[in-house]
Amino acid sequence: AQSVTQPDIHITVSEGASLELRCNYSYGATPYLFWYVQSPGQGLQLLLKYFSGDTLVQGIKGFEAEFKRSQSSFNLRKPSVHWSDAAEYFCAVYGQNFVFGPGTRLSVLP
Amino acid sequence: DAGITQSPRHKVTETGTPVTLRCHQTENHRYMYWYRQDPGHGLRLIHYSYGVKDTDKGEVSDGYSVSRSKTEDFLLTLESATSSQTSVYFCAISEGWSKNIQYFGAGTRLSVL
Repeated sequence: AQSVTQPDIHITVSEGASLELRCNYSYGATPYLFWYVQSPGQGLQLLLKYFSGDTLVQGIKGFEAEFKRSQSSFNLRKPSVHWSDAAEYFCAVYGQNFVFGPGTRLSVLP
Repeated sequence: DAGITQSPRHKVTETGTPVTLRCHQTENHRYMYWYRQDPGHGLRLIHYSYGVKDTDKGEVSDGYSVSRSKTEDFLLTLESATSSQTSVYFCAISEGWSKNIQYFGAGTRLSVL
């Protein structure tokens, strides 16, 4: 069975600092991988996706993610966080089914 | 933004009453999904549809039914609402299944008292 873990429930960073959100998955093969962002009271918006090829993928809003097969990870990064990045971030995996992680809430200090 | 409209956006109801949530899309996508979102659980799939009148169960389907009589509409029904069904419900759509990029509606917040 597939599963997705996001080890950090809540992360706080200062504006301008770098960010890394962790995502680990369990699946017997290489799945398709996604990061979504959810602003308060809103639906989920796709940030980026990995299907195959280059393991470093670029997304919208200056985000990138790196797929590491050996670590079963797909961590999301941003070099300089903006106050508007405060939101909840979900990692998702598609293998046999579409499975979401529990989410990481990001707070940004001015 | 993908053309997905959920209605109502908010609903308060009482235990034991039937509730129907509607998802309407203007993208002509084949696949439609209903999820529920609860703290600490992320999103969990309730039911999905792979075409008109073609539906299947997801991870948490007990107590829910769905119908899809037209490509653009996917209805989620709680036949007899319970307090455990208090949640935020999201509809999603995708064009295909193999490279499954899902686009989400704004959600419906349901409170069952």
